[in-house]
Amino acid sequence: NAGVTQTPKFRVLKTGQSMTLLCAQDMNHEYMYWYRQDPGMGLRLIHYSVGEGTTAKGEVPDGYNVSRLKKQNFLLGLESAAPSQTSVYFCASRIAGKNEQFFGPGTRLTVL
Amino acid sequence: GQSLEQPSEVTAVEGAIVQINCTYQTSGFYGLSWYQQHDGGAPTFLSYNGLDGLEETGRFSSFLSRSDSYGYLLLQELQMKDSASYFCAVDTGRRALTFGSGTRLQVQP
Repeated sequence: NAGVTQTPKFRVLKTGQSMTLLCAQDMNHEYMYWYRQDPGMGLRLIHYSVGEGTTAKGEVPDGYNVSRLKKQNFLLGLESAAPSQTSVYFCASRIAGKNEQFFGPGTRLTVL
Repeated sequence: GQSLEQPSEVTAVEGAIVQINCTYQTSGFYGLSWYQQHDGGAPTFLSYNGLDGLEETGRFSSFLSRSDSYGYLLLQELQMKDSASYFCAVDTGRRALTFGSGTRLQVQP
């Protein structure tokens, strides 16, 4: 099992550019999450999904969109990147009824 | 709103015991989790407390008091590899977690 994988690992964008971050999990988990982590801070929830075709807003959803067309994939989109979105983005998943979240290795995004 | 408080930094020596506290104020509470994160790495799950009391997993234990809105992570027989950041996280029932800002633990020889 690969667990939770994220693509890409690093990316540099210019202000106003768009991009999509891909998260994939092969554990058949129902729930998937996107977090951002800024230096010296904890993780803040951007969006999450409790199943294929469903998404919900987290604490800091502005400027981001998500889609969960397939159970194993959760996409995070930035339509018009801003320097404030410079961060490390983590995807996580968990199985229904269990508390442990499994995290991907992260995507380090810099917006210039 | 939600708030979780934990110390920003803790220093201890190899072989010692260290306790990392977490107090929370949240609208809704189902349980408290702890995650470990090494520099440059991803968070990894350590423990979960849904009920009051102590949960033990090897060298790590976690405690919860719902009436005091308080929990702690206890690390025994500290090793150099335990140097990392530790996050408490509250399950507020939205099927997602709210994380604290983390405690950076430095283990010295």
